Amino acid sequence: GAGVSQTPSNKVTEKGKYVELRCDPISGHTALYWYRQSLGQGPEFLIYFQGTGAADDSGLPNDRFFAVRPEGSVSTLKIQRTERGDSAVYLCASSLSQGDDEQYFGPGTRLTVT
Amino acid sequence: AQKVTQAQTEISVVEKEDVTLDCVYETRDTTYYLFWYKQPPSGELVFLIRRNSFDEQNEISGRYSWNFQKSTSSFNFTITASQVVDSAVYFCALTGTYKYIFGTGTRLKVLA
Repeated sequence: GAGVSQTPSNKVTEKGKYVELRCDPISGHTALYWYRQSLGQGPEFLIYFQGTGAADDSGLPNDRFFAVRPEGSVSTLKIQRTERGDSAVYLCASSLSQGDDEQYFGPGTRLTVT
Repeated sequence: AQKVTQAQTEISVVEKEDVTLDCVYETRDTTYYLFWYKQPPSGELVFLIRRNSFDEQNEISGRYSWNFQKSTSSFNFTITASQVVDSAVYFCALTGTYKYIFGTGTRLKVLA
């Protein structure tokens, strides 16, 4: 079946611009997660959705970052006033429900801020 | 606080050699879950295994095996008879709820 998809695969933007990254989870998965992976590091948790609501956004680095999942399926990660330090691969994952369920990851969006 | 340590940054082996990737974790939770993921050059994380804290049985899946020891807080991963296609970055992860804590990964290079 179809896995987690993310668009775009690559995004280059100028410092100060606004970007949106999209995640389409596996059909039927109620839990959705965003992670950020910097070069040479493991993924770091950003936010977790259960259904339409953000159950935990404690990993978002600051208020320039925001994510939504209005219909409980597709999610969009939004970054305002991008900075060079935001450059990373942004990974989305989904799981059947939550907790110990294994998370299935998308291919990621590589964001480069110039 | 939870923490995962993968002390081996990079390992190179020759094809057909066995290789073990180490993972040491820290947690105060009594119930937790451990995972291994593979990240090939394409970048997508591929789920390999999940183990809960109450199940210390070792597991074997083909050429892969996992050794979970609570006494040493370790969850090591062994690849037997390695192949070039095993070349990737391997991540160990820990969760008590839903927030995965990843290690920094071990890059495995299998040389033909």
